[in-house]
Amino acid sequence: AAGVIQSPRHLIKEKRETATLKCYPIPRHDTVYWYQQGPGQDPQFLISFYEKMQSDKGSIPDRFSAQQFSDYHSELNMSSLELGDSALYFCASSPRQGTEQYFGPGTRLTVT
Amino acid sequence: KNQVEQSPQSLIILEGKNCTLQCNYTVSPFSNLRWYKQDTGRGPVSLTIMTFSENTKSNGRYTATLDADTKQSSLHITASQLSDSASYICVVSADTGFQKLVFGTGTRLLVSP
Repeated sequence: AAGVIQSPRHLIKEKRETATLKCYPIPRHDTVYWYQQGPGQDPQFLISFYEKMQSDKGSIPDRFSAQQFSDYHSELNMSSLELGDSALYFCASSPRQGTEQYFGPGTRLTVT
Repeated sequence: KNQVEQSPQSLIILEGKNCTLQCNYTVSPFSNLRWYKQDTGRGPVSLTIMTFSENTKSNGRYTATLDADTKQSSLHITASQLSDSASYICVVSADTGFQKLVFGTGTRLLVSP
């Protein structure tokens, strides 16, 4: 069965650079969620999209932005990267709001 | 404040033994409770999802219980295997229109041979 795809799997950036993370939800899933998980911490909800519109917003810094495209894939854009942005970034998708979320493998971002 | 607390923080058991992980939550309004298994550096994988009216749900060797009155849940693992070594995360969903997940900090389980 198809799962959530995230790319890249690993990314190394320097401080003040920008990064773009991509998420391809499971086919026919219209809702996408982004989470940030720091070392030894639980995942923190960043933002979610439903039918290409932002549906909920969590602890996403102003330096980050995200969008969902017509094919339902989503991109998380991160600018002015800081050392503290080093984390695992998970994307999850669900077939509709309020249902089971299926997580992708994550993108490990390292900011040096 | 919405919170999910898990115990123990870490646990070591011998292969073949059973174990029980605990989860207490103060999330309102409650929608559902999920248990996830997360291998290091990997995305969480759903084991069970339980709504308010469900008391127990099984998935193979994993059995989750939910007491909505006391706001407690447990995950029982039977006949543990080495591959069960992972973090087990209790996640409670708050029904705020759009589901918002509140994650516990997890229990790190190590199954030793």
